[in-house]
Amino acid sequence: DGGITQSPKYLFRKEGQNVTLSCEQNLNHDAMYWYRQDPGQGLRLIYYSQIVNDFQKGDIAEGYSVSREKKESFPLTVTSAQKNPTAFYLCASSIVVTQETQYFGPGTRLLVL
Amino acid sequence: GNSVTQMEGPVTLSEEAFLTINCTYTATGYPSLFWYVQYPGEGLQLLLKATKADDKGSNKGFEATYRKETTSFHLEKGSVQVSDSAVYFCALSPLNSGNTPLVFGKGTRLSVIA
Repeated sequence: DGGITQSPKYLFRKEGQNVTLSCEQNLNHDAMYWYRQDPGQGLRLIYYSQIVNDFQKGDIAEGYSVSREKKESFPLTVTSAQKNPTAFYLCASSIVVTQETQYFGPGTRLLVL
Repeated sequence: GNSVTQMEGPVTLSEEAFLTINCTYTATGYPSLFWYVQYPGEGLQLLLKATKADDKGSNKGFEATYRKETTSFHLEKGSVQVSDSAVYFCALSPLNSGNTPLVFGKGTRLSVIA
């Protein structure tokens, strides 16, 4: 059963702590993305990756970091530099970046304690 | 630049009412156009898409027609159900503008009451 998995579903962060959100896909897609969604708001692009070992900043990359060591995996780290991390985080993938449908995971809700 | 403008929500309709959610776009070249749906607490799902002018995308009773002359891709459904309550996002994928990801509108929340 192909798709995108995100874990955990809920994540709690203490002040000054880094946390990492997991995203895995078995669709054999080259491109992967991270979005942030705030209540009642649209999607904002954090980072995207066109291929393994390559990634580009999106509109709101400050306070976040990513890696793409494997085709299947694109973890997002929310660092302590991100002062307002509480949001719903969505991972997506597509065959390539342009002109292609993106497929989304179920999301991770991050809350600050 | 590339942008998508959707009608402001929320939209509240009674069951079996006709639905229109307006979407207009600005883009260089000839983009592909998409509608995604997000049910509460979930990720986005592709609802329908169209890749060239005058194409009509359709799925689950929803449809949208790619109108190049009005740069629009309005979403319609003839008879909504309570289960259609969700947030709907219009998006475009630019053509011939480098490796640019999808550009999303801000979303329109639809509530259908019985």
